[in-house]
Amino acid sequence: AQSVTQLDSQVPVFEEAPVELRCNYSSSVSVYLFWYVQYPNQGLQLLLKYLSGSTLVKGINGFEAEFNKSQTSFHLRKPSVHISDTAEYFCAVSGQGSSNTGKLIFGQGTTLQVKP
Amino acid sequence: EAGVTQSPTHLIKTRGQQATLRCSPISGHTSVYWYQQALGLGLQFLLWYDEGEERNRGNFPPRFSGRQFPNYSSELNVNALELEDSALYLCASSRDRARYSDTQYFGPGTRLTVL
Repeated sequence: AQSVTQLDSQVPVFEEAPVELRCNYSSSVSVYLFWYVQYPNQGLQLLLKYLSGSTLVKGINGFEAEFNKSQTSFHLRKPSVHISDTAEYFCAVSGQGSSNTGKLIFGQGTTLQVKP
Repeated sequence: EAGVTQSPTHLIKTRGQQATLRCSPISGHTSVYWYQQALGLGLQFLLWYDEGEERNRGNFPPRFSGRQFPNYSSELNVNALELEDSALYLCASSRDRARYSDTQYFGPGTRLTVL
């Protein structure tokens, strides 16, 4: 069965500090991984995705993530955060197999709180 | 290019009523997905439509149903509303259902409140 675990429900950080949001996945097949961001009262916006190739993926707004197959992780990082990065972040895996076809399987989300 | 649009933005219903939510995908996208984001339950997959057919559904009762129209827009219907149906309903679209790697693009959501 496929699943995603986001290890921190909330991450407080000061402005201009680096941040890492952790995501672990479980899958018996090759995976496609995504990070989405949800600003208050809005839908989800794609930050970045890993499909294949280079394990370091760069996304929008200065975010990047590293795919680690041996540790089944896909952690999101940003070297210097801004107040405007305050939002909820979701890690997701693309469902595979007959029962999971078409769906994204999401983690529970991590709330990033950037303080001045 | 216009993104995924959803209507209405907010919907208030009473228990037992029916709710209809609408979604228009990005131009050129044929697949539409529905997700429920309820407080404390995270994002749960509801339904997937492609080329007018329901291709998969999540673990929801049959009173959650929908359809996809020839122009690829979609409608989600929730019958016999219950208080726990209160949630943000998100619609997403993608270009090619044949690829697991295809990115889903999300709309702003419809906030359904059941009183």
